[in-house]
Amino acid sequence: EAQVTQNPRYLITVTGKKLTVTCSQNMNHEYMSWYRQDPGLGLRQIYYSMNVEVTDKGDVPEGYKVSRKEKRNFPLILESPSPNQTSLYFCASSLSWGRVTGELFFGEGSRLTVL
Amino acid sequence: ILNVEQSPQSLHVQEGDSTNFTCSFPSSNFYALHWYRWETAKSPEALFVMTLNGDEKKKGRISATLNTKEGYSYLYIKGSQPEDSATYLCAFTDSGYALNFGKGTSLLVTP
Repeated sequence: EAQVTQNPRYLITVTGKKLTVTCSQNMNHEYMSWYRQDPGLGLRQIYYSMNVEVTDKGDVPEGYKVSRKEKRNFPLILESPSPNQTSLYFCASSLSWGRVTGELFFGEGSRLTVL
Repeated sequence: ILNVEQSPQSLHVQEGDSTNFTCSFPSSNFYALHWYRWETAKSPEALFVMTLNGDEKKKGRISATLNTKEGYSYLYIKGSQPEDSATYLCAFTDSGYALNFGKGTSLLVTP
């Protein structure tokens, strides 16, 4: 089954404790992206990747890191989480040849709470 | 950050009513406009990706139009059903590299 898998789905952590949210897709998609969803705001892009070893900042990259060492995986790293990073996070992927021409396929979301 | 506006913010209709929403985006440097349907506790799912001015797309009772020159897209739902209740998101890209989402229109359809 074609899917985007995120883990963990739910996490409560404390300020400063490094964490990684994993994202994996099995559709051989080139494009992958991370978004956060906060009440009253639209989905905001954190980082995106056009292909392996190619990543770029979205609109709200502060406090986050990403890597794209393999085509299928695009982990989101919070080196020192803070309460303002409490949010619902979505990973998404798309089949593309340099640009997002196709629809995004979203993971199920990861709800993160930073105390 | 590119400004993508959706209206109305929320909508409550009766089963069988037809309805429509608007997505407004910058009219310069258009690349693509996406529509997604997002049900509570689920992930957003794509409805349409539109790339050409004048595009019209249809999926069942849902259709969309695109006017890139004036910077808007309409999403129409004909004969709304309770299962259409969801948040409808549009997303705009001027480069093809980054998508900018609107805040969505929340639709509630009651029997």
